[in-house]
Amino acid sequence: GQSLEQPSEVTAVEGAIVQINCTYQTSGFYGLSWYQQHDGGAPTFLSYNGLDGLEETGRFSSFLSRSDSYGYLLLQELQMKDSASYFCAVKAGNMLTFGGGTRLMVKP
Amino acid sequence: DAGVTQSPTHLIKTRGQHVTLRCSPISGHKSVSWYQQVLGQGPQFIFQYYEKEERGRGNFPDRFSARQFPNYSSELNVNALLLGDSALYLCASSLLTARMNTEAFFGQGTRLTVV
Repeated sequence: GQSLEQPSEVTAVEGAIVQINCTYQTSGFYGLSWYQQHDGGAPTFLSYNGLDGLEETGRFSSFLSRSDSYGYLLLQELQMKDSASYFCAVKAGNMLTFGGGTRLMVKP
Repeated sequence: DAGVTQSPTHLIKTRGQHVTLRCSPISGHKSVSWYQQVLGQGPQFIFQYYEKEERGRGNFPDRFSARQFPNYSSELNVNALLLGDSALYLCASSLLTARMNTEAFFGQGTRLTVV
């Protein structure tokens, strides 16, 4: 089966940088995705890493190390609107397996 | 273009009843997946359909079933509802199967409450 571990909560101040880590155990791994979900909303796609290294999309970056079964999401120049839950998810076969989510609270 | 649409948005059912949830994918998307999200947890994979065939099934009992229609819309059916089935049911559509490098687009979900 698959399992993913990520911190349950992270708090940071506006303008700061925060890193959300994700470790996984899976078979048939294809890649690691990150999703954002605001309270009451749908998960929205942020980034995908199929290969080792860093992917950058605006203020968000995501990193993957396949040998370490580890990835992270880096959020820079935090804004209040970034307060949300962030999920890492592994693609293995025909399914996405999600972690339990990290609730990010951004304070003024 | 409309995003992924799900109906109904909210639903209250009694234990033992049956429920059908509906999903219309983004136009041109042939893959639909269903997820169950319990409050405070990540979405859990239930099914994936691609080109009207089941391509993946998560660890859910046989009370859960689904199908995909020729227009790529999909239904999730749950029989003999239990209190523990209360959750947000999410539908996600994508261009290709999950094997390919493509993002999944989620609908707003159906909030099912079983009483």
